[in-house]
Amino acid sequence: DAKTTQPPSMDCAEGRAANLPCNHSTISGNEYVYWYRQIHSQGPQYIIHGLKNNETNEMASLIITEDRKSSTLILPHATLRDTAVYYCIVRVANYGGATNKLIFGTGTLLAVQP
Amino acid sequence: DAGVIQSPRHEVTEMGQEVTLRCKPISGHDYLFWYRQTMMRGLELLIYFNNNVPIDDSGMPEDRFSAKMPNASFSTLKIQPSEPRDSAVYFCASSPDPSADGTQYFGPGTRLLVL
Repeated sequence: DAKTTQPPSMDCAEGRAANLPCNHSTISGNEYVYWYRQIHSQGPQYIIHGLKNNETNEMASLIITEDRKSSTLILPHATLRDTAVYYCIVRVANYGGATNKLIFGTGTLLAVQP
Repeated sequence: DAGVIQSPRHEVTEMGQEVTLRCKPISGHDYLFWYRQTMMRGLELLIYFNNNVPIDDSGMPEDRFSAKMPNASFSTLKIQPSEPRDSAVYFCASSPDPSADGTQYFGPGTRLLVL
């Protein structure tokens, strides 16, 4: 799976949009971008994933550049409860075998400030 | 749905003792994963199962670690004998058929401290 690079930490004011960047310059055509987050003392939580197109769900939006070498996770109105470590993961979308693995990096610690 | 259930939530034991961690995946999920998280190494995949069969155990650190899944609703991770360096948070996760979206659902974790 391709390697991802994220800033170690970011701050965001409560109520403002949080934009978390991720570089995945070696991504292959069949690799999806996944985002998970881990709130302190809890297990990781799935947020969103995408292949080529931008995606949106009730939690966040995912913007993937046209060349797919980077992406941005957007939390439109950050709250204090969004303070967490956010992981960007690239995963091959095949069925069975080693592609079911999620390889977590160090992520970005997002601190939402009141 | 209760989500992934892990027990115990906290475990304190002495070096050399056997430790057994338990996991109940979400009903209907075919895949089960065991992870370990430490400050030094982050979140690491230890082993995962598909339909109760171990598929990849390349992340299991050594022979002291073993995992079983006797049925679709229960899995154990055993450490025997335990060592202080095994102190970590151990997470279990389950996933439906990856042809869907491959999302993994994590349990709350077991915090293990080996003295």
